[in-house]
Amino acid sequence: SSELTQDPAVSVALGQTVRISCQGDSLRRYYASWYQQKPGQAPVVVIYDKKRPSGIPDRFSGSSSGNTASLTITGAQAEDEADYYCNSRDTSGNLYVFGGGTKVTVL
Amino acid sequence: EVQLVESGGGLIQPGGSLRLSCAASGFTVNTNYMSWVRQAPGKGLEWVSVIYTGGSAYYGDSVKGRFTISRDNSKNTLYLQMNSLRAEDTAVYYCARDGTTVGTFDIWGQGTMVTVSS
Repeated sequence: SSELTQDPAVSVALGQTVRISCQGDSLRRYYASWYQQKPGQAPVVVIYDKKRPSGIPDRFSGSSSGNTASLTITGAQAEDEADYYCNSRDTSGNLYVFGGGTKVTVL
Repeated sequence: EVQLVESGGGLIQPGGSLRLSCAASGFTVNTNYMSWVRQAPGKGLEWVSVIYTGGSAYYGDSVKGRFTISRDNSKNTLYLQMNSLRAEDTAVYYCARDGTTVGTFDIWGQGTMVTVSS
């Protein structure tokens, strides 16, 4: 198995840029995916394999280097306030793993 | 429309059993990697189990030996049989599809709540 580590919380001023990171050994081999979850709702994928699914605003972008993946929100909007989770395959490739989540507050 | 609909959650006593169902529409469960993911109240997402297209199944350490994932191709439905339930299994249980095969859950159900309490 393996673990993914995220900062618990970050804040960003309206219209500014915020970067959320996700660290783990499995990210050296597997792409990270990023999910947005608002209260009472199921998660929604916003970035996978550094790509954006259709319908996701282009202010969301993903990058990675070594054992760290990042989600960047450029020009954060009020509706971006949510919990964000990363995930990937684990180091064995058979299981999945999630990060602990980052709460993003838009000020 | 591509969607997943879970059912079967409820209140169950510790040590009891429960079976969750996840009905798929718009795609077939046996041609996709299908998982269960849970979220305890106020906590983060925890991957629980996966069944691959070939039928291989894997489990997280916290449920191994107690939970069993399966599917019924004729009903296009995914299941999670949960035995020996504990208070710490209390959570919203989501079924999710890894439609990309790179570890991304692209389709999620709305979730079903399981409460383990006496």
